[in-house]
Amino acid sequence: EVQLVETGGGLVQPGGALRLSCSVSGFTFSTYVMNWVRQAPGKGLEYVSAISTNGASTYYADSVKGRFTISRDNSKNTLYLQMSSLRPEDTAVYYCVKDAPAYSFDYWGQGTLVTVSS
Amino acid sequence: QSALTQPPSASGSPGQSVTISCTGTSSDVGGYNYVSWYQQHPGKAPKLMIFEVSKRPSGVPDRFSGSKSGNTASLTVSGLQAVDEAEYFCSSYAGTNNFHVVFGGGTKLTVL
Repeated sequence: EVQLVETGGGLVQPGGALRLSCSVSGFTFSTYVMNWVRQAPGKGLEYVSAISTNGASTYYADSVKGRFTISRDNSKNTLYLQMSSLRPEDTAVYYCVKDAPAYSFDYWGQGTLVTVSS
Repeated sequence: QSALTQPPSASGSPGQSVTISCTGTSSDVGGYNYVSWYQQHPGKAPKLMIFEVSKRPSGVPDRFSGSKSGNTASLTVSGLQAVDEAEYFCSSYAGTNNFHVVFGGGTKLTVL
């Protein structure tokens, strides 16, 4: 069974930092592009970041570029998102998402809530 | 503001069909056959329902179908059931690089 479990969310002050982790099981992690997608409370989905299988290539939405860093440890089957200089508008549920054919996403974690507030 | 435009709401009675639209541009929906649709029930993670415009993952009922014409993609739910009441999001590859995906703002489907 495929499982993606995010941890690391919580309350942080504006300007602060947080690191999200996503522990994966049930598929060969090292052979899939992995992604982070977020959803602000009551809002739609926003594609945040992606990383290639070996970590050599990454993508960031303009809204987080320069502040967030995606990484992965294939030996630990874990995906990370280091977030810094956090802003109130970064408040959202962050989902760890597995890549699927044709730029779709077939497995999602349960999400972890990040709240940026003073 | 989301990159892809969806109507905020749609509704239908049990057994009826409803179609949800997703409008983009020639740089995303119109330029590639890489449109996906996701279903999200309250408090749950999204679930992939359609990929590559019209393909259904294993386990998704054939009541769900997708299509595309020009810059607009559509999701049709036939034989509406109460369990279909949820938020639906479309997405498309946007071609900037190998990863760039954009989402629609979501459509709340109500089964009357």
